[in-house]
Amino acid sequence: AQTVTQSQPEMSVQEAETVTLSCTYDTSESNYYLFWYKQPPSRQMILVIRQEAYKQQNATENRFSVNFQKAAKSFSLKISDSQLGDTAMYFCAFIYNNNDMRFGAGTRLTVKP
Amino acid sequence: DAGITQSPRYKITETGRQVTLMCHQTWSHSYMFWYRQDLGHGLRLIYYSAAADITDKGEVPDGYVVSRSKTENFPLTLESATRSQTSVYFCASSEQAGSSYEQYFGPGTRLTVT
Repeated sequence: AQTVTQSQPEMSVQEAETVTLSCTYDTSESNYYLFWYKQPPSRQMILVIRQEAYKQQNATENRFSVNFQKAAKSFSLKISDSQLGDTAMYFCAFIYNNNDMRFGAGTRLTVKP
Repeated sequence: DAGITQSPRYKITETGRQVTLMCHQTWSHSYMFWYRQDLGHGLRLIYYSAAADITDKGEVPDGYVVSRSKTENFPLTLESATRSQTSVYFCASSEQAGSSYEQYFGPGTRLTVT
């Protein structure tokens, strides 16, 4: 069974600093996708970044980047120049087919002014 | 408006009552999903549908029923609500297999069973 683990229930960071959220997963599949979703207080799930497992290059979206270590089954999210609007729950998710996306339990990130 | 919508946004019901949560998408996506979100569990898949009239169970299907007579609608019914079904429910949709499998989420329905 595919599982996703986020070992940091809560984290905080000062505005303008950098923070890294951890995610590990377990799978026997070789081709899959990984995602980070952001859930602000509005509850809306917002896609932050995605990574295809067959791509060695780490994905980057503006201030958000990932460190994808396929052999270690690790997929961490780095947020640079943190902003108050980054305060949210962050979910790591894994999918290898179109019908079974697995989510981690989430990390609550607070950006402090 | 285009996108994926859910109704109602908030619902309070009593134990034993039937309640239906609605989901509607305007993208003509083939796949639709229902998740529940509980503290400490992230999102867990209840049911999904690959196309109209095709549905299948996810990780936590017990106590729920779905149907999909039209591509754009995917209602979720709790036939006899229990307190353990108090949760936030999210509907999502995605394109055909072979895409990046990105799922687009609705705004969620907060359901309280008293």
